[in-house]
Amino acid sequence: DIQMTQSPSSLSASVGDRVTITCRASQSISSYLNWYQQRPGKAPKLLIYAASNLQSGVPSRFSGSVSGTAFTLTISNLQPEDFAAYYCQQTYSSPRTFGQGTKVEIK
Amino acid sequence: QVQLQESGPGLVKPSETLSLTCTVSGGSISNYYWSWIRQPPGKGLEWIGYIYYSGYTNYNPSLKSRVTISVDTSKNQFSLKLTSVTAADTAVYYCARLDDSKVDAFDIWGQGTMVTVSS
Repeated sequence: DIQMTQSPSSLSASVGDRVTITCRASQSISSYLNWYQQRPGKAPKLLIYAASNLQSGVPSRFSGSVSGTAFTLTISNLQPEDFAAYYCQQTYSSPRTFGQGTKVEIK
Repeated sequence: QVQLQESGPGLVKPSETLSLTCTVSGGSISNYYWSWIRQPPGKGLEWIGYIYYSGYTNYNPSLKSRVTISVDTSKNQFSLKLTSVTAADTAVYYCARLDDSKVDAFDIWGQGTMVTVSS
């Protein structure tokens, strides 16, 4: 199985901050990487697919990039509704696997 | 727009079979893959498996011996059966649509249903 490792596991930030979350794959997955946001008590929501493509309806302050097997989710100008958990997911091979999640909390 | 809704018992006894159904509304189940994902309380997401509307399936090897996913196109529904459950199967179970035009991302999710395994 491909292991997905997110860092950090949690972070504290303020409204207006720029936040970066990293996800590393245990092997090459090309750009088969998706990012999801999960607010407390809610289902996950697709933010970014194929490493850097913004899902329709998602604010442009969210962006994704890739360098080798390291993927980055960036949230610029953090808003109150962005405080949530974020998960990466690889779809390069089965079984599909998720990172362990990163919780973004209010400082 | 397409919406998904999970349904099924919220409490299952150990060693019994967990059965859930996902109803697709606002669109056809045809021409898409449909998936089940679960999340134990306070933990991360685990992919269970997916089914194509034609019936082709792919399961997580960690659960493959206990899982069956089926589809009923006439009802616009797909279902999950998980046999011989234990407390470790207690989780929120989500159904989701897989979009193969978006590197198989899960672009639409149900609200989730909590299933507790307990006697």
